[in-house]
Amino acid sequence: GESVGLHLPTLSVQEGDNSIINCAYSNSASDYFIWYKQESGKGPQFIIDIRSNMDKRQGQRVTVLLNKTVKHLSLQIAATQPGDSAVYFCAERGDFNKFYFGSGTKLNVKP
Amino acid sequence: NAGVTQTPKFQVLKTGQSMTLQCAQDMNHNSMYWYRQDPGMGLRLIYYSASEGTTDKGEVPNGYNVSRLNKREFSLRLESAAPSQTSVYFCASSATGGRPQHFGDGTRLSIL
Repeated sequence: GESVGLHLPTLSVQEGDNSIINCAYSNSASDYFIWYKQESGKGPQFIIDIRSNMDKRQGQRVTVLLNKTVKHLSLQIAATQPGDSAVYFCAERGDFNKFYFGSGTKLNVKP
Repeated sequence: NAGVTQTPKFQVLKTGQSMTLQCAQDMNHNSMYWYRQDPGMGLRLIYYSASEGTTDKGEVPNGYNVSRLNKREFSLRLESAAPSQTSVYFCASSATGGRPQHFGDGTRLSIL
């Protein structure tokens, strides 16, 4: 889930397990959502997106679920690999194509 | 493909100095953005430019100015740097109409 402050929530999983990262968004009028992966020293990298007229979207090893009733997004990573270790952010699109980011979740994959 | 290029990658300034961070994209995107990222935090929007010739404030614009020089380039200026502006700055670009943003690798700025 989201938190504000210096300490990112951390999810630790075993290699090969599935991971679920959660995100609460703030604006019920947001129509477009993105998940990003950020590795140390790098900029955020696009993983998957979903529009508000969808509940679920699947990519390669990743699935995003959108629950508009409770303003909640989740990212599911199947068969998590060590290369998936990173910080994951959700972002929602507001007015004028501006994006607002959550504070992130650190995924730690144990070999 | 270069994507989004930011310069410099690192910079140390003294309080009160000025500096311009440069950003260029080669994807012919209309929209460009500047964010700051503080330790353990998400990205906060400083300024954005929906298209060439337009700029607008984001969540945290105070102490910054921007210039959309042309479609490719979007610069961020600190006129009088303050220690509170120590952060990692990211530039991003996107096509219009709800498309993902592409980010540069950031400028790490320290103000003493």
